[in-house]
Amino acid sequence: EAAVTQSPRNKVAVTGGKVTLSCNQTNNHNNMYWYRQDTGHGLRLIHYSYGAGSTEKGDIPDGYKASRPSQENFSLILELATPSQTSVYFCASGDPTGGDNERLFFGHGTKLSVL
Amino acid sequence: GDSVTQTEGQVALSEEDFLTIHCNYSASGYPALFWYVQYPGEGPQFLFRASRDKEKGSSRGFEATYDKGTTSFHLRKASVQESDSAVYYCALGSYQGGRALIFGTGTTVSVSP
Repeated sequence: EAAVTQSPRNKVAVTGGKVTLSCNQTNNHNNMYWYRQDTGHGLRLIHYSYGAGSTEKGDIPDGYKASRPSQENFSLILELATPSQTSVYFCASGDPTGGDNERLFFGHGTKLSVL
Repeated sequence: GDSVTQTEGQVALSEEDFLTIHCNYSASGYPALFWYVQYPGEGPQFLFRASRDKEKGSSRGFEATYDKGTTSFHLRKASVQESDSAVYYCALGSYQGGRALIFGTGTTVSVSP
């Protein structure tokens, strides 16, 4: 089974501070994704990546940056955190070559509170 | 753009009840459709998928049939158990955005013994 590990599991940050959420996958998947989960909105795509060195904007990228230094690692960066970014963040990986491989594997999530 | 609509936000059932969660989609082409399940403290987990009209996906007693005519992929289970209490997400596979999944808003299912 595919493994995606996120750290930290919980984070409390101050408004205006910098926050980095980390994600590691051991499945050699090319694509990685960052989603946020909010009641009433479900899961919304923030950034994604096709591979090392690649980052692309998703549906709600404002206020977020992403970094993909290697095949295994994908980070989400909040340069100036705001209370509206309080949420649960999920990282996922996938290998969209079609068929049964066309599914995502999610980490356990990071609960971020910005005070 | 592509989107997924789940009608029910919360569903409360008793064990052995029949479960239906409605999912409708809006998309061009023939997107793959998925159901994911999320248990407390965990990330969403793949339940099953379907990729063509009239195809039925199923897993763990849950099933859904891809219906292009009504643009629907409703989730059903004949007899739920307390262990089925979770959040269920319908999703479609986008052809853009790195082939990311577009999720509905989720349905919280609570099953009492």
